[in-house]
Amino acid sequence: AQSVAQPEDQVNVAEGNPLTVKCTYSVSGNPYLFWYVQYPNRGLQFLLKYITGDNLVKGSYGFEAEFNKSQTSFHLKKPSALVSDSALYFCAVREGGTYKYIFGTGTRLKVLA
Amino acid sequence: EAGVTQFPSHSVIEKGQTVTLRCDPISGHDNLYWYRRVMGKEIKFLLHFVKESKQDESGMPNNRFLAERTGGTYSTLKVQPAELEDSGVYFCASSQDRGTPGLETQYFGPGTRLLVL
Repeated sequence: AQSVAQPEDQVNVAEGNPLTVKCTYSVSGNPYLFWYVQYPNRGLQFLLKYITGDNLVKGSYGFEAEFNKSQTSFHLKKPSALVSDSALYFCAVREGGTYKYIFGTGTRLKVLA
Repeated sequence: EAGVTQFPSHSVIEKGQTVTLRCDPISGHDNLYWYRRVMGKEIKFLLHFVKESKQDESGMPNNRFLAERTGGTYSTLKVQPAELEDSGVYFCASSQDRGTPGLETQYFGPGTRLLVL
């Protein structure tokens, strides 16, 4: 079965430090991978996606993600965290041959001042 | 460009009542999707419209849920009668048609928080 795992319910990081939010996936065929962020009382905002090409994908707000085919991972990263990055982050993969996304359970990122 | 909008933002109803959620997609987006997140769990796909046609409704939980998209513009999702387990956040998303599934990006609305008491 196709799935996405976000192994950490919460990640705490100090402001200014690098952050990583982990995501691994299982999908048939080529993976199309996405990261979304949900700020408090807001909807899901698209951050970045991997379709093909370079394994390092750059997105909004200074975020990037690294696609690793051998480890079936798509971890979200940022070199220097901001308090305003505190939010709920969702990783998603497109189910092969369909338009539907399969989401992980989300990781709450808390950036401490 | 206006994003995906959803109405209402919150709804509190009693078990057995009916609730109708509305979604207005981004103008020009033929694809419209409904997803649901039950507290603390993953966001799950409910169904997908292409214009006014249901392309995939494999995620609809049961026949108490009815989605429509008359005219291929806005969509409604009706829950009748509502049960306790229907509580959650209902997200709507839309995307352009790029011909090949996955090339498009789905843009999400703010969600409707439904609480069934």
